[in-house]
Amino acid sequence: RKEVEQDPGPFNVPEGATVAFNCTYSNSASQSFFWYRQDCRKEPKLLMSVYSSGNEDGRFTAQLNRASQYISLLIRDSKLSDSATYLCVVNLPHSNSGYALNFGKGTSLLVTP
Amino acid sequence: EAGVAQSPRYKIIEKRQSVAFWCNPISGHATLYWYQQILGQGPKLLIQFQNNGVVDDSQLPKDRFSAERLKGVDSTLKIQPAKLEDSAVYLCASSFEGRDYYNEQFFGPGTRLTVL
Repeated sequence: RKEVEQDPGPFNVPEGATVAFNCTYSNSASQSFFWYRQDCRKEPKLLMSVYSSGNEDGRFTAQLNRASQYISLLIRDSKLSDSATYLCVVNLPHSNSGYALNFGKGTSLLVTP
Repeated sequence: EAGVAQSPRYKIIEKRQSVAFWCNPISGHATLYWYQQILGQGPKLLIQFQNNGVVDDSQLPKDRFSAERLKGVDSTLKIQPAKLEDSAVYLCASSFEGRDYYNEQFFGPGTRLTVL
């Protein structure tokens, strides 16, 4: 079983729509959680960290359920510029101290006019 | 603030040839990472350095891949000899302090490797 699993996608939605991405992780020792955004042929960039209490940044809302080992990202009022791949990322401690990011495969979002 | 620099941006080689990638992290970042991203997949960590020491290289195919960060700043990743399945984007990332689990990683633009 993969460490981080995401919705298969792709998601094609019209402008203004609300879209939700889901992610599950397998290791309960995971310490921190993130959503990264990756544009086509570009590097990943941090979109937002995900906190236990849930957090919101403008049109983006992230939720974490540690008991279910589940992470979500909600995008409201989608814009054309939101078209990208969204990577669910889980930070795991490793034996030599420090942490390692484990990435999901990503979910592709295409927002259409 | 300058970002993570990588070179070359693109490289095409034939199988069994050697190739090297270079990375210059953000100034002051102690932790440097090399990732491999195969088309359609998320990035996979190959090796993590804390200053010039290796913290994690458990997923580095050590029979053909090597990496170094001699002075705790720049790093090189080498593949020798390359195989077809090494075709991927090689991403370098850095963070201020890798032992903080909420520390953001900043990625370079990557080197796109094609092995023919």
